[in-house]
Order: sequence, then C-alpha cells, then structure tokens
Amino acid sequence: DAGITQSPRYKITETGRQVTLMCHQTWSHSYMFWYRQDLGHGLRLIYYSAAADITDKGEVPDGYVVSRSKTENFPLTLESATRSQTSVYFCASRARQGVTNEKLFFGSGTQLSVL
Amino acid sequence: AQSVAQPEDQVNVAEGNPLTVKCTYSVSGNPYLFWYVQYPNRGLQFLLKYITGDNLVKGSYGFEAEFNKSQTSFHLKKPSALVSDSALYFCAVRDWGSGNTPLVFGKGTRLSVIA
Repeated sequence: DAGITQSPRYKITETGRQVTLMCHQTWSHSYMFWYRQDLGHGLRLIYYSAAADITDKGEVPDGYVVSRSKTENFPLTLESATRSQTSVYFCASRARQGVTNEKLFFGSGTQLSVL
Repeated sequence: AQSVAQPEDQVNVAEGNPLTVKCTYSVSGNPYLFWYVQYPNRGLQFLLKYITGDNLVKGSYGFEAEFNKSQTSFHLKKPSALVSDSALYFCAVRDWGSGNTPLVFGKGTRLSVIA
C-alpha cells in the first residue's frame, strides 16, 4: 500500500528562498501533522490539521505556512528559508479520534539543508 | 501542559541481555502513552501504546512497556536484546482529557545492541 509519502526526499536551498515540502496520504486520515527532528530536540510539532481547511499551530510554527485544501495532501511551505530551518521534516497522519485509532503513521522524511 | 522526559540519550546493551529504555511523563489528567522506533533514514514506527487497563503492555518485535502511575513512568523493556533492535526510540504522551491535542514526544534514546 502507498501509505504516506513525502517529497522531495532531499532538498538543498539557499537562505531567503521559498520551498515547499509535500505530503500525501492514501488512507483518507482526518489528522495530519508536520514535525521537525533536530539533534538534542527530538521531534517538535510545527503544524497540524484535523480536517481539510482546518489547521493549527504546534510548538514551533514561526517561518512556516501550511494549507490543506484536500484531505490527502498537507504541504509545508517555508516562506523565506533560514539556516535554522535546516532539519529533517516528517509528515504523519492518523485516523479520526478514537482510542483504537490512536496511532500515528509517519512518512520517510525530507532532509532539508538551507545554505 | 504535557511533557515527556527520556533521561538517557544513549543506552548500550549486549545482545541477549535484557534492555530498558526509560520514560517519565507529566500530564494534568490521565495519559495516553506511546513508544515509537526510528531506524536509520526512516520515519517513526509505532511500537505500542497504553490507553487504560493492564499496566503491562505488549507490542511489536517482543517489546513491552510498564505503566507506573505513582512514578509517572512508562519504561520500554525487552527480555533479550537483538542487534537489530539498535535504533532511536521515542516516548510520547497525550492527555486524554485534553481533546484533540497532538502527541508530545521525548527527545529520543539511542539504543545500541552490541554483538
């Protein structure tokens, strides 16, 4: 099964440029999340979405923009990339709230370098 | 507010020996607790969860975790470690009285199993 896919797998960009990371899931999961992973910080939530057209800030939202016009897609945009945004970015999804559905599925990540 | 602490950045264990990866949590209500594992260059994978019921939870790959409410801990254990268990392990928590708030992850513990 296709599951949850992220693209690109690797990206190098320059400071000040806009870059968009893509996330697509095939399960029609209601919830989608963007995390960044940094040494010493673990996983930190950037933004999340409970459904199409509903998004909320996480712990570290500054400098990022998200949209969710379709349930299956949740792109993350860095409007003007900074070196501090060099990181590995993970997208995740889960089904609608319910104890048995309380399980995140993660993509393989996008490794972003901002020079 | 909810938080998770993983006090050890690194755990080393010999193959065949029991392993423990520690996790403590803080929530204002009752916790949903999770363990996820990350293999190199991959996204996180669900291992096990505690929602309610038995304090000892069994999960994938022979792992188990013990919920201890009085010590606010949820340590991950395995009776006999394998070299293939070497990975990065994350503990996560959500307060199930807090509605749809996302999971909060610890900083991760790197497990190295030595042959």
